[in-house]
Amino acid sequence: NAGVTQTPKFRVLKTGQSMTLLCAQDMNHEYMYWYRQDPGMGLRLIHYSVGEGTTAKGEVPDGYNVSRLKKQNFLLGLESAAPSQTSVYFCASSRTRGETQYFGPGTRLLVL
Amino acid sequence: GIQVEQSPPDLILQEGANSTLRCNFSDSVNNLQWFHQNPWGQLINLFYIPSGTKQNGRLSATTVATERYSLLYISSSQTTDSGVYFCAVKEGKESNFGNEKLTFGTGTRLTIIP
Repeated sequence: NAGVTQTPKFRVLKTGQSMTLLCAQDMNHEYMYWYRQDPGMGLRLIHYSVGEGTTAKGEVPDGYNVSRLKKQNFLLGLESAAPSQTSVYFCASSRTRGETQYFGPGTRLLVL
Repeated sequence: GIQVEQSPPDLILQEGANSTLRCNFSDSVNNLQWFHQNPWGQLINLFYIPSGTKQNGRLSATTVATERYSLLYISSSQTTDSGVYFCAVKEGKESNFGNEKLTFGTGTRLTIIP
């Protein structure tokens, strides 16, 4: 039981490049989330999903897209990376709404 | 939206000391969690505690929802307790059904000195 895993752990992009971050959970959780964490701040919700095939916007969705084609996976895409998207990205999952969220180890992204 | 304030922002203690971290929130909540982010960046879930009191070893937490605050107690601190402690809440209003935003405070940075 690996919990929540994220791929990759670290990535460097040039401005304008695209990439996809993968989050996988093996706990059969319905809800999945993508957050970003910037220095000196707490986490901010980018997008979330309440079940396979669903997505919804969080607090800071601009510049990101997501997909939840399979229940266990939640993908975060950057179509045209910008330096403002330099951050640490965390994925989380929960069994259902309002319950404990379990976090992955994070992906550190640097956009030059 | 809901505001979350944590205090103190920084805390430096000698190993073995006890500490109390506070989280104040501005509206009713139906989800409150405490996390520990270790020096390697890993977020570890400590408590899910929208109300009441829970204990886990040297750590315990109390949430008084009617007074809109939560406290995290750490007893007999160890160097491995160092890191940043975050409180995160979700608003409890009916109109928020479907809005799953967990709002984080800016954290308390705890440093335990051997």
